[in-house]
Amino acid sequence: GQQLNQSPQSMFIQEGEDVSMNCTSSSIFNTWLWYKQDPGEGPVLLIALYKAGELTSNGRLTAQFGITRKDSFLNISASIPSDVGIYFCAGRLMNSGGYQKVTFGIGTKLQVIP
Amino acid sequence: EAGVTQSPTHLIKTRGQQATLRCSPISGHTSVYWYQQALGLGLQFLLWYDEGEERNRGNFPPRFSGRQFPNYSSELNVNALELEDSALYLCASMSISGISAGELFFGEGSRLTVL
Repeated sequence: GQQLNQSPQSMFIQEGEDVSMNCTSSSIFNTWLWYKQDPGEGPVLLIALYKAGELTSNGRLTAQFGITRKDSFLNISASIPSDVGIYFCAGRLMNSGGYQKVTFGIGTKLQVIP
Repeated sequence: EAGVTQSPTHLIKTRGQQATLRCSPISGHTSVYWYQQALGLGLQFLLWYDEGEERNRGNFPPRFSGRQFPNYSSELNVNALELEDSALYLCASMSISGISAGELFFGEGSRLTVL
């Protein structure tokens, strides 16, 4: 199936470090979504971005909707052990007839070393 | 408010059998999406239902099918199970209006194991 290019695919970082991950696509989207999946759980929405250029924060998380509408990044500042999990980006394009399927990146697996 | 609920949590089948997975969306959500998450892979789009109709399907064979009921709950059926169908199947619902319009809310998934 269709995928976004998400990188890096995995990261090992020291507690307290900042983290950055991004997604790129050959297609434009009008919504970018970032999710986190804990082991054994379904993904949970972290941040939603609705406008090109939009920069949104949620606690230690910051995400931006790229100006070209083909990319987005997520930053986590001062990482803590509970940040461990898989982070997915997702792009959604709304058409005149309703909503198309949401396309997901392959995920970034984050490991935090205490 | 109850979230997206999926059943069963775990399901073990053998090759050639059929599996049925169920999903209840958040109250008021009319769209239901199904995704397959195989080990080591991301979320692969399977099916999208809205207002009782199949709106789109991913690149999966026809033995993956489903339906959406009048109460917006949904069922995913996998026929003639193969070993590679072993995966976590996630259901998500979405509202098209309100403050969370366009955002997907996921259930905890149904883990299907094919032996």
